[in-house]
Amino acid sequence: GQNIDQPTEMTATEGAIVQINCTYQTSGFNGLFWYQQHAGEAPTFLSYNVLDGLEEKGRFSSFLSRSKGYSYLLLKELQMKDSASYLCAVRDSNTDKLIFGTGTRLQVFP
Amino acid sequence: DTGVSQDPRHKITKRGQNVTFRCDPISEHNRLYWYRQTLGQGPEFLTYFQNEAQLEKSRLLSDRFSAERPKGSFSTLEIQRTEQGDSAMYLCASSLRLAGGNEQFFGPGTRLTVL
Repeated sequence: GQNIDQPTEMTATEGAIVQINCTYQTSGFNGLFWYQQHAGEAPTFLSYNVLDGLEEKGRFSSFLSRSKGYSYLLLKELQMKDSASYLCAVRDSNTDKLIFGTGTRLQVFP
Repeated sequence: DTGVSQDPRHKITKRGQNVTFRCDPISEHNRLYWYRQTLGQGPEFLTYFQNEAQLEKSRLLSDRFSAERPKGSFSTLEIQRTEQGDSAMYLCASSLRLAGGNEQFFGPGTRLTVL
């Protein structure tokens, strides 16, 4: 079976750091993606990990441990505009289709 | 604009009517995906094309749903005899299939409301 778990909601303060965790169990794995989605809009690509370790892109970093089926997205220096849903998705190794978690809704407060 | 486009952006229809949505992918992308997203959930895979060939269909795609990509460029998704449970955001994404795969770029979506 395929299962992706992430927290439903998180809150944080402007300027702080927040870590959004994602665990997965899938039959085929060809990379893990993080997307950001503002309400009523399409998902936009944030990061991609296919090998173990940390990938850093500006204020955003993503980590992957394939042996543990675990990833996290780290957001630094939070801004109000970071309030959005963050979707963890595993790419299927045969079709490249993305299998998404339910998303984590992050609210950033002043 | 060279991103993925979808039309219409919003569709309101009565139960039992047929609806058709269009997706124009990024021009050089050979893979095109359809997903459905309901409130509070992540997108769920429906089907995908490599060029004009439809290679996989989810169990979510009942016989009322059909998708085409006749020339390997734009795609259409048709829902026949719509039901209230079909109300959702329908997202299209495209990617360029390379060795090792590549990221998917999403369109703005078509929000369907079935009354």
